[in-house]
Amino acid sequence: GNSVTQMEGPVTLSEEAFLTINCTYTATGYPSLFWYVQYPGEGLQLLLKATKADDKGSNKGFEATYRKETTSFHLEKGSVQVSDSAVYFCALKDTDKLIFGTGTRLQVFP
Amino acid sequence: DAGVTQSPTHLIKTRGQQVTLRCSPKSGHDTVSWYQQALGQGPQFIFQYYEEEERQRGNFPDRFSGHQFPNYSSELNVNALLLGDSALYLCASSSAGSLNSPLHFGNGTRLTVT
Repeated sequence: GNSVTQMEGPVTLSEEAFLTINCTYTATGYPSLFWYVQYPGEGLQLLLKATKADDKGSNKGFEATYRKETTSFHLEKGSVQVSDSAVYFCALKDTDKLIFGTGTRLQVFP
Repeated sequence: DAGVTQSPTHLIKTRGQQVTLRCSPKSGHDTVSWYQQALGQGPQFIFQYYEEEERQRGNFPDRFSGHQFPNYSSELNVNALLLGDSALYLCASSSAGSLNSPLHFGNGTRLTVT
């Protein structure tokens, strides 16, 4: 069946460092791909999405490109801030439901 | 514009009891999905409701049931609670008529089973 694999965390960075969180997927066809972010005590917020191969999703300085050759959707940000500390989930759309990875915790220190 | 609202925010129950969680979708949305998020894990799909019927179901036992009302709000019921049911239960809404409509999540209900 379809699945999503994320790099394990936590990822610990200093403020203004470059961020990469790896995500790969296994799926039939080319599903829409998403990154969601979860701040402490809150639900999930959509960060960005890509609906077809080679699409780049971007939001708030975060970017991810849908790579069908490597079945990947890695999340990147050029300069992280303390306020980016959260758990990040990669997900794919399977019919009408989302399949999530296990999440990657990002900790950014000043 | 109110987003997805869930109640209660926290709940403590004893093994064997029954629980009902509630969700009001974002204004303009007609489809409600429920997810279970165990500690340290990603959310797992429980089921989805549209037009007051269960449209799709994940790999959860029949102890998990739901309902959708004419105003699109929804309830999740769990019977015969087990310790393993302790989790954050997330409700998400979307619009069936909007292609690639993203899911909007509520802040969840934290259920603790003792």
